Amino acid sequence: GAGVSQSPSNKVTEKGKDVELRCDPISGHTALYWYRQRLGQGLEFLIYFQGNSAPDKSGLPSDRFSAERTGESVSTLTIQRTQQEDSAVYLCASSHGTLNEQFFGPGTRLTVL
Amino acid sequence: KQEVTQIPAALSVPEGENLVLNCSFTDSAIYNLQWFRQDPGKGLTSLLLIQSSQREQTSGRLNASLDKSSGRSTLYIAASQPGDSATYLCAVEGGGFKTIFGAGTRLFVKA
Repeated sequence: GAGVSQSPSNKVTEKGKDVELRCDPISGHTALYWYRQRLGQGLEFLIYFQGNSAPDKSGLPSDRFSAERTGESVSTLTIQRTQQEDSAVYLCASSHGTLNEQFFGPGTRLTVL
Repeated sequence: KQEVTQIPAALSVPEGENLVLNCSFTDSAIYNLQWFRQDPGKGLTSLLLIQSSQREQTSGRLNASLDKSSGRSTLYIAASQPGDSATYLCAVEGGGFKTIFGAGTRLFVKA
């Protein structure tokens, strides 16, 4: 079956613009995670969705970041008023319920000029 | 606050050698630990998942162990091959379902 997909694969934007990143989880996976990986650094946990429960937003770097998920399907990560420090690869993962194996998408490489 | 450390940061071995990668974590209250590999410019590939109640998991030439009480996990790779060259990441999932990653071990297997 299809794996986790993310779009766009690459995004170049100007400082101050808003961007929206999309993640399509594996069908049937109720849990969805967003991570950020800056160049040469490790993965940084951003947010986690499970079913219809309200997500814990404490991992989001600033109030410019927001994420939504409709039911158990697509999720979007929105970054408002982008800054150069937001440049990174944004990775999405899904799993079949909580505490199970996470499967990652290929990521979206965001470059803020 | 959970911290995950991986040692060594980089490793270069000749083909055929057996090797061990280490992962340690500061908070033993975890639900699971997962090992991944990351190839340059690509996403992560899951290798093994160990639940907190388990001691080890095996897949082919890979064996991962977990000692939750001491905050340690090892990934054993038998008979290494050039195709094993990648960055290996360990990640622990704990309170609030937050998954914390180590910085990784960069492995190079020489033909």
